[in-house]
Amino acid sequence: GAVVSQHPSWVICKSGTSVKIECRSLDFQATTMFWYRQFPKQSLMLMATSNEGSKATYEQGVEKDKFLINHASLTLSTLTVTSAHPEDSSFYICSVSGSAYNEQFFGPGTRLTVL
Amino acid sequence: GESVGLHLPTLSVQEGDNSIINCAYSNSASDYFIWYKQESGKGPQFIIDIRSNMDKRQGQRVTVLLNKTVKHLSLQIAATQPGDSAVYFCAENENAGGTSYGKLTFGQGTILTVHP
Repeated sequence: GAVVSQHPSWVICKSGTSVKIECRSLDFQATTMFWYRQFPKQSLMLMATSNEGSKATYEQGVEKDKFLINHASLTLSTLTVTSAHPEDSSFYICSVSGSAYNEQFFGPGTRLTVL
Repeated sequence: GESVGLHLPTLSVQEGDNSIINCAYSNSASDYFIWYKQESGKGPQFIIDIRSNMDKRQGQRVTVLLNKTVKHLSLQIAATQPGDSAVYFCAENENAGGTSYGKLTFGQGTILTVHP
């Protein structure tokens, strides 16, 4: 399967600042990537679907102006949390859609803590 | 702050026992199901999948059973080992009008603890 990396693996920031998280597909050209958010002891919740060269599709309740997604190449998608607040503290995970039927390969996640 | 979360179901077993983790799904149109293992601080790891035209699929030490009548999925792990300790999630693919770009909906998750 595809190897997916995320950077940074963890980040601590002050309230009101913006944080960018990178998701890279290391050995696979990904036209579609997904961004999830996971709070402690909860399941993964899909935030948005990122398509290379076009605008991301956001799930209901996810603010597109707060969570900016850029999928500029087949190997890189970025999620920027703008004006972060403590309630944005979470584990953010990306995944890459594979070539076979509906398979997804997940990154290791990024732990965001907003003080 | 973070949302208050629900307590995940837990399953504790002894090393060597068989484990059965259950999952109920809601979308009768889902046609593809996956089990993932997530260790603390890591992303989900694929375990096994099954399509809706099957009711059983076996892998190495793992078996997935699908009952579409009651919309129930189970994961059986044989000879459970301490390294199997993790949170296990089922996921279903939302088959919206035949598109299949892989949009997944995750279940609640179950914490499996294996005691040596």
